[in-house]
Amino acid sequence: DAGVIQSPRHEVTEMGQEVTLRCKPISGHDYLFWYRQTMMRGLELLIYFNNNVPIDDSGMPEDRFSAKMPNASFSTLKIQPSEPRDSAVYFCASSHRPNTGELFFGEGSRLTVL
Amino acid sequence: AQSVTQPDIHITVSEGASLELRCNYSYGATPYLFWYVQSPGQGLQLLLKYFSGDTLVQGIKGFEAEFKRSQSSFNLRKPSVHWSDAAEYFCAVAGPRDMRFGAGTRLTVKP
Repeated sequence: DAGVIQSPRHEVTEMGQEVTLRCKPISGHDYLFWYRQTMMRGLELLIYFNNNVPIDDSGMPEDRFSAKMPNASFSTLKIQPSEPRDSAVYFCASSHRPNTGELFFGEGSRLTVL
Repeated sequence: AQSVTQPDIHITVSEGASLELRCNYSYGATPYLFWYVQSPGQGLQLLLKYFSGDTLVQGIKGFEAEFKRSQSSFNLRKPSVHWSDAAEYFCAVAGPRDMRFGAGTRLTVKP
């Protein structure tokens, strides 16, 4: 298996633009997590899905953020409109049983909003 | 909800010296605890995990961690640090269906 695949690896955009980050989890993993990492706040859980259904989105900063998982092999995190304070590294992770097993992380998408 | 505290933001050790990174957790039930490592520009990789049983667990790359329920701690140790161990280390605790991470400790290794 290729592991968790995220795209793009780097994105530079201007304030107000829409940003879409993509994630392909490991096949067979039924949990998918989106994390945001910044120097100020560290690693924050934004949202996670179980069997494609959002379970907890309490970490999503505001309505500008949305996440979808239309099928078991694909998820998106969308920011519209983007703001400079959204600049961060966004990680996707997947797992079979997160409370007893390992989370497998992608390499992250580094977002810079100018 | 579960939470994790890593008191040390940044630690510097000399190559060959021993290392201990601190982690304290808060969780009402028996915790499942993890240590992850993040190299620059990379995602997180699991070093070791504790579910139950022996309170001293061994991980990859020569790391070990000891679970102490009385102190709510799960400290990471390595007897002799290598320059390639320079990275950021995250402690995590798993709840019923998700995992929460500490703020991380950045390790610098001096030659």
